Amino acid sequence: SQTIHQWPATLVQPVGSPLSLECTVEGTSNPNLYWYRQAAGRGLQLLFYSVGIGQISSEVPQNLSASRPQDRQFILSSKKLLLSDSGFYLCAWSVEGASPLHFGNGTRLTVT
Amino acid sequence: ELKVEQNPLFLSMQEGKNYTIYCNYSTTSDRLYWYRQDPGKSLESLFVLLSNGAVKQEGRLMASLDTKARLSTLHITAAVHDLSATYFCAVDDLNTPLVFGKGTRLSVIA
Repeated sequence: SQTIHQWPATLVQPVGSPLSLECTVEGTSNPNLYWYRQAAGRGLQLLFYSVGIGQISSEVPQNLSASRPQDRQFILSSKKLLLSDSGFYLCAWSVEGASPLHFGNGTRLTVT
Repeated sequence: ELKVEQNPLFLSMQEGKNYTIYCNYSTTSDRLYWYRQDPGKSLESLFVLLSNGAVKQEGRLMASLDTKARLSTLHITAAVHDLSATYFCAVDDLNTPLVFGKGTRLSVIA
């Protein structure tokens, strides 16, 4: 069966520090991968998605970036965090066609 | 641009009552998804609706899709406290990632 791992679960970082969140998927090949962010009490904002290794689409211009170095690995990064980067970050995967997204457990990031 | 609107955004209902959450969207897509999110947790897939007239039921929840009206409903029957959560609908179009509504925060009270 397919599983998705996302870590860390919580993170507290000072403003201006770098960020690296990692997500891996097991049990499927060539998944579509996504990073969403959810601000406190708000809806989901799509940040990045990828349909294959090295293929990244950015939905919102900001100080975040994403990379997909391997088929089932998706990384969210920042060189310098802003206070506004605080939120709940969710990684998700899907397969081609009419398929729901399957979410990881999320990372709660607090930038202080 | 694909837009998804849910209403109401907040819903407080008594145990045992029925209610409906509405999800309107702006595209001609026939692929709609419902998710549940418990406080502090991730999203869990509830229903996948893939055609006009599709109806899915799980326990006290029933979801339906009317693609001509671009409307999906999530009906809650005889609510119980365990249904308290935030419910999201999401729509995708060909080659477009899922777009989520803002969510409906449901609170079931005794």
